[in-house]
Amino acid sequence: DIQMTQSPSTLSASVGDRVTITCRASQSISSWLAWYQQKPGKAPKLLIYKASSLESGVPSRFSGSGSGTEFTLTISSLQPDDFATYYCQQYNSYWAFGQGTKVEIK
Amino acid sequence: QVQLVQSGAEVKKPGASVKVSCKASGYTFTGYYMHWVRQAPGQGLEWMGWINPNSGGTNYAQKFQGRVTMTRDTSISTAYMELSRLRSDDTAVYYCARDREGPMDVWGKGTTVTVSS
Repeated sequence: DIQMTQSPSTLSASVGDRVTITCRASQSISSWLAWYQQKPGKAPKLLIYKASSLESGVPSRFSGSGSGTEFTLTISSLQPDDFATYYCQQYNSYWAFGQGTKVEIK
Repeated sequence: QVQLVQSGAEVKKPGASVKVSCKASGYTFTGYYMHWVRQAPGQGLEWMGWINPNSGGTNYAQKFQGRVTMTRDTSISTAYMELSRLRSDDTAVYYCARDREGPMDVWGKGTTVTVSS
């Protein structure tokens, strides 16, 4: 099974900050990676697919990069609505999520 | 609009079974696989498996094989997930999510299943 590891687990940041979350796969997954945002009590929301493709309706301050085993999600200028938990997910071999990164207010 | 509407919260005793439904609307139900994902309290997301609504074919995560059954009723555009031999650590929110060739682009609001004696 492919394991997904995110870092950090928690990130404290301020509005306007540039934020980067890293996701590593235990083996190569090419570009078969998605990123989701989840707010408390809500279902996850798809942000990025195929490592770097922005889902329709998602603000352009979100971007994704990487291939193989290392990936990043970047928020160029953190907005109040962005405080949430973010998950990466591989879909190269079955499906598996990272453990999540909580972005909290500094 | 495209949406997935899930059934209501359930409380079950250990050893019982639970069946959660997920009604699709706004798109062709048989055109997209459906995943089931769960989230225990305060924990991350865990993939359980998928069903192909067109053929009824399924693919379950190894952890749940033997305990989970995913079915569908195409006449009412509804997918089902049944989990048997429930334990306290099955307490979680269960989501259905539409597959778009890998990523999950539409999610239900979740169904809370509580397992308690």
